Amino acid sequence: AQSVTQLDSQVPVFEEAPVELRCNYSSSVSVYLFWYVQYPNQGLQLLLKYLSGSTLVESINGFEAEFNKSQTSFHLRKPSVHISDTAEYFCAVMNTGFQKLVFGTGTRLLVSP
Amino acid sequence: DAEITQSPRHKITETGRQVTLACHQTWNHNNMFWYRQDLGHGLRLIHYSYGVHDTNKGEVSDGYSVSRSNTEDLPLTLESAASSQTSVYFCASSASYTGELFFGEGSRLTVL
Repeated sequence: AQSVTQLDSQVPVFEEAPVELRCNYSSSVSVYLFWYVQYPNQGLQLLLKYLSGSTLVESINGFEAEFNKSQTSFHLRKPSVHISDTAEYFCAVMNTGFQKLVFGTGTRLLVSP
Repeated sequence: DAEITQSPRHKITETGRQVTLACHQTWNHNNMFWYRQDLGHGLRLIHYSYGVHDTNKGEVSDGYSVSRSNTEDLPLTLESAASSQTSVYFCASSASYTGELFFGEGSRLTVL
């Protein structure tokens, strides 16, 4: 079985500052990794994903995540955040043989002026 | 545009009543999922389906049931609502083995 740990329940940061949201996973087999974002009162949206190939993946709005197999991590980073990035971010893992996603407990990113 | 819709968006009910939350997708996806979202727990999988007439239990399936009679719909039924089932429920669908889920906007259920 797979599991995901997001140690930070909330990350406050000032606008234009860099941010890192941490995600560690546990699995005995190969996995796919994802970050989803949830804006207030909305459903989740896919932010970025790692399936194979380059371990550094990027989103269209400036976020990036790096798959680190040795550290079983998939941390999300952004060099300069905006107010509009305020949201809850969920890391998720899927065994490559299945279709179920297992989510972490989420990290609330709070960006203030 | 294809979409996934949930109804009702908000519902208040009483303990012991039967409740059904609807989920309808126009993506023509084979896979559909129901999650509940609770503070401190993230999203937990209730039931899922990989196609018509296929249903499977997730990690928190007790007290819930689903049926899949067509590709578009996966209604979630609470047979006898309990206060512990007060939550926000999300339906999602996906096309293949890629893990990319498309979510509805959620149904907030309060059980008094």
